[in-house]
Amino acid sequence: EAGVTQSPRYAVLQEGQAVSFWCDPISGHDTLYWYQQPRDQGPQLLVYFRDEAVIDNSQLPSDRFSAVRPKGTNSTLKIQSAKQGDTATYLCASRQGRNTGQLYFGEGSKLTVL
Amino acid sequence: AQSVTQPDARVTVSEGASLQLRCKYSYSGTPYLFWYVQYPRQGLQLLLKYYSGDPVVQGVNGFEAEFIKSNSSFHLRKASVHWSDSAVYFCAVSDRGSALGRLHFGAGTQLIVIP
Repeated sequence: EAGVTQSPRYAVLQEGQAVSFWCDPISGHDTLYWYQQPRDQGPQLLVYFRDEAVIDNSQLPSDRFSAVRPKGTNSTLKIQSAKQGDTATYLCASRQGRNTGQLYFGEGSKLTVL
Repeated sequence: AQSVTQPDARVTVSEGASLQLRCKYSYSGTPYLFWYVQYPRQGLQLLLKYYSGDPVVQGVNGFEAEFIKSNSSFHLRKASVHWSDSAVYFCAVSDRGSALGRLHFGAGTQLIVIP
C-alpha cells in the first residue's frame, strides 16, 4: 500500500512569491491534515478536512494561506506572497475513520523563503 | 488549552544504555497520548499510543511509555538503545472523538546514541 505522497520535496522562494504543495493521501482515508513544522519545533496543525469539507482551519493564516480538497482525495496547500516566517516543513497526514485510526504522515515539503 | 512540554531538547546516551525521554501534558479530561519518531528526511512515524486501559503501553522496536495521570506525564522508555534509535522524538496529545488526529505536539527531543 502506498503511503502519503507529497510534492515538491523542496522549494526555495524569494519573499512575495507564491508556492503550492500537493498531497496524495492513502487511498480510502477520509481525513486529511496539513501541519506546519518550523525548524527545531514540533508540528502545528494548520487545517484539516473530512472528505472535501474543511473541519478546522482556525490556525490557517487566511490572508495568505489557502487549502482545498475538492474531490475528497488529493489536497493542495497554497501560500501567496510568502514571508521569511513561513520557512518550515509542511507535513500532510491522513487517517481513516472518525473516532479511531492511526495518523500516517508524508515525508513533508521543505520551504525556504529568502 | 492542550499543550505538551518536552523539557529536554537533546539527550545523549551510549549504545546499550537505558533511555527515558520526558513528556508532560496539559489537557482537560483524559487525553489520547502519542509518541512519534522522525528520522532525517523522513516523515513522522508512530511509536506507540495510549487511549485507555493499562497505563503502560508497548510500542515498536522495544519502546514503551507509561501514562501517569496524577503527574500529567507520558515518559518514553527503552531498556537498551541502539545507534539506529538516533532521531527526533515527539510527544503529542490529541483531542478525542471525531477530532482525533488534531494533534498538539511538543517541541521534540533529539536523541543521540553514541556507538
